[in-house]
Order: sequence, then structure tokens, then C-alpha cells
Amino acid sequence: GIQVEQSPPDLILQEGANSTLRCNFSDSVNNLQWFHQNPWGQLINLFYIPSGTKQNGRLSATTVATERYSLLYISSSQTTDSGVYFCAVVPDYKLSFGAGTTVTVRA
Amino acid sequence: DSGVTQTPKHLITATGQRVTLRCSPRSGDLSVYWYQQSLDQGLQFLIQYYNGEERAKGNILERFSAQQFPDLHSELNLSSLELGDSALYFCASSPRDYNTGELFFGEGSRLTVL
Repeated sequence: GIQVEQSPPDLILQEGANSTLRCNFSDSVNNLQWFHQNPWGQLINLFYIPSGTKQNGRLSATTVATERYSLLYISSSQTTDSGVYFCAVVPDYKLSFGAGTTVTVRA
Repeated sequence: DSGVTQTPKHLITATGQRVTLRCSPRSGDLSVYWYQQSLDQGLQFLIQYYNGEERAKGNILERFSAQQFPDLHSELNLSSLELGDSALYFCASSPRDYNTGELFFGEGSRLTVL
């Protein structure tokens, strides 16, 4: 099956800092989503981005499908950004998740 | 709020018991997906239904079963529960089939098996 690798596995940020999370995938995909799982366990949709670039407030994402990677940018991080960020892709019929990047933002 | 409703939010039960988790998809969505999140396995796809029909199966145990009803809500039945079944169970929905388009997840049902 497809391999979805996220890096770094853990990230500690000072409030106000910027960061980039990466997602590499081993095969072509039809769908790519970024999610934020907050400390209460909720999976929140961030981006649906099979290709191209999107921005939503302090977050933006870029997917280069031909090179099989996606990037999630967090700018001016806030403590509420803490949690686990998942990349998930659909090569066939199911959404396959990476292991996630755990982000901790310190005040 | 994603629009996907899952009940119950928390459930504590004993080994050998049976539980039913319920999911109501977003209005207009025909596909329902079930995922399991455990500490050692991450987020794993279990099963998908589209407009009442089973469409795809993932790593779903034989002790588990699911169905989607005519009103499009879905239920996941877990029987002969084991300690290792303790996990967060998510339901997701989308308007289309086969995981095309954006999926939206419910808040999950946290199952603890003692």
C-alpha cells in the first residue's frame, strides 16, 4: 500500500514562531487532506488540497502532486495550534493517514 | 462543527460485551466511512458505505459489522469485545463515492474496554 511519511514527528514552537510541516507520499493520489487533531481528539479539516496552494488565515498549504509531497505552513503560531497534524491521501478507495506531526506551542 | 454526529461520545464496557456506535452524516452526504484510532495502529480505515451499500472494506475484524440505513445514518457494531478494541472510533461522510472529494469527520466515540 501507499506510504505516507510526515516530518518532523514532533515540533516545539514558541508562540509567534513560523513552521513548516511536510508530507511525502509514495504513489500518485486522487485526494489529499490536512487535519488538525486537537487535545480533545477532534479531527478538524484544514485543507482539501490534491494540488496547488491554498490559504486560510495563518495557515496555508501547498501540494506538488507530480513530486508527491505536500507542505503545511503555520505562521505566527498560537497555543491553540497545539495538537497533532495529519496528512491523509487517497491513492485508491480509502483515506490513508500519515503518523502525524505533534506540535506544541509554548506561551 | 463538521455536521457529522456520533453517539455516544464515551463508552465504557467489559470484555466480551457488545456495543453499537451510531453516526449521522452531514446533510446530503451519501457516503459514510468508519475509522479506528488506537495508540499503536494510528488511524485505520474500517469500512465504507455509499447510499446503503457496502463499497469498501479495510482492516475490519470479523467481530465488527456495520450497516447504513435508508435514512443514511450508519451503525458500527462491535461484539465479543477485547481489551485491544479500546480506541477512538470515527465516522466520516462525503457526498461522493470511493473517498473522492473532501471527507468530514465526527467528534468520535471513545470506547474503553475493561
